[in-house]
Amino acid sequence: GAGVSQSPSNKVTEKGKDVELRCDPISGHTALYWYRQSLGQGLEFLIYFQGNSAPDKSGLPSDRFSAERTGGSVSTLTIQRTQQEDSAVYLCASSRSTGQVARWWYYGYTFGSGTRLTVV
Amino acid sequence: AQSVTQLGSHVSVSEGALVLLRCNYSSSVPPYLFWYVQYPNQGLQLLLKYTTGATLVKGINGFEAEFKKSETSFHLTKPSAHMSDAAEYFCAVGVSNFGNEKLTFGTGTRLTIIP
Repeated sequence: GAGVSQSPSNKVTEKGKDVELRCDPISGHTALYWYRQSLGQGLEFLIYFQGNSAPDKSGLPSDRFSAERTGGSVSTLTIQRTQQEDSAVYLCASSRSTGQVARWWYYGYTFGSGTRLTVV
Repeated sequence: AQSVTQLGSHVSVSEGALVLLRCNYSSSVPPYLFWYVQYPNQGLQLLLKYTTGATLVKGINGFEAEFKKSETSFHLTKPSAHMSDAAEYFCAVGVSNFGNEKLTFGTGTRLTIIP
């Protein structure tokens, strides 16, 4: 697509429920990133995909968080048993590539508009 | 590991005045440096970047930044602020290192323009 698409744009869920957040990157972008943006906290790295593999998942805050990517395209971030501290804006970004090699260092990231998650 | 510090979480300037947003980084290897802007209820948009070569880089909307290795800085400037510049600005650093292919962001600076 023309840009990075995230859905839903807003999600309100009850504490303890599971949620799935979706990211559809720009076609041909092999690298995909998830970040979390909390009020006053800047952007916190969660996980990075190159193709369908996740070489760096060091930012996932707990085992309640998981992510997958299929077909080198769409990615889903799943949060199980949501807690109030999970409330944040979840941002997805993708990076332009040359073949299978991401060129993030040259092109930077293209971000989606985010999913605002509120846990009540 | 790399890190970035943005001095001043809030900056206010008068319309027409100089904008200066500060960013200092820490990296053990040559860094790639970026500035992103986030308008209300929108995602982040790339403003400008430094990869290699010329240390003074120009971006969109009249912004520019200068990479100063000796000061480990990458401050963002604009000679004359416009009301439409009101937004949050994020500095980011990355290194091209297998297994560490991600950008590390600062905590952001919210820019307010005073009419």
